[in-house]
Amino acid sequence: QKEVEQNSGPLSVPEGAIASLNCTYSDRVSQSFFWYRQYSGKSPELIMSIYSNGDKEDGRFTAQLNKASQYVSLLIRDSQPSDSATYLCAVNRETSGSRLTFGEGTQLTVNP
Amino acid sequence: NAGVTQTPKFQVLKTGQSMTLQCAQDMNHNSMYWYRQDPGMGLRLIYYSASEGTTDKGEVPNGYNVSRLNKREFSLRLESAAPSQTSVYFCASSVRPYLRAEAFFGQGTRLTVV
Repeated sequence: QKEVEQNSGPLSVPEGAIASLNCTYSDRVSQSFFWYRQYSGKSPELIMSIYSNGDKEDGRFTAQLNKASQYVSLLIRDSQPSDSATYLCAVNRETSGSRLTFGEGTQLTVNP
Repeated sequence: NAGVTQTPKFQVLKTGQSMTLQCAQDMNHNSMYWYRQDPGMGLRLIYYSASEGTTDKGEVPNGYNVSRLNKREFSLRLESAAPSQTSVYFCASSVRPYLRAEAFFGQGTRLTVV
């Protein structure tokens, strides 16, 4: 079992729709969860962080965390073509010290 | 504010050659990391430095060495490059290694070993 798994892509949604990206993790003691966006040929950039169960909203982005189910998701409302990128889920695993462990990423395409 | 700066941006090496990838951050962060990114593999941690003066192996350390030169700089050395080390390398830094430590990435180094 991979430590951090993301739903397989690519994911394609029409402009204006809601894009839903999912991530599961294996280490129950994980404490910190992050979503990074990576445009093709560019470096990852942080878009959301979440540390407590529940929802966290920032503009069009909502991160959801359920520690009991070991599940974290990212919703993008009113998707725009500029949201087309690869989205990386990252988990801080306290049992491995200061590491961030990344999933493989989900490629999202928003069609005009 | 430059953030995290990596040099070089592109490099082609012949098998067996050595090189050092440089990374510097100006955010006064304590922790620094080196990742490699390969298609279908996501980001994998090579080495990290939780604080100045300490370094630790990550997930894929074989074939690499690192030096935390000071608080700002963290270099990655390939002593004898192999084609399997063809990848995109990212340096990152965070204010602290534990809990709620968002990482900020450099622009990447695209390395090809022929």
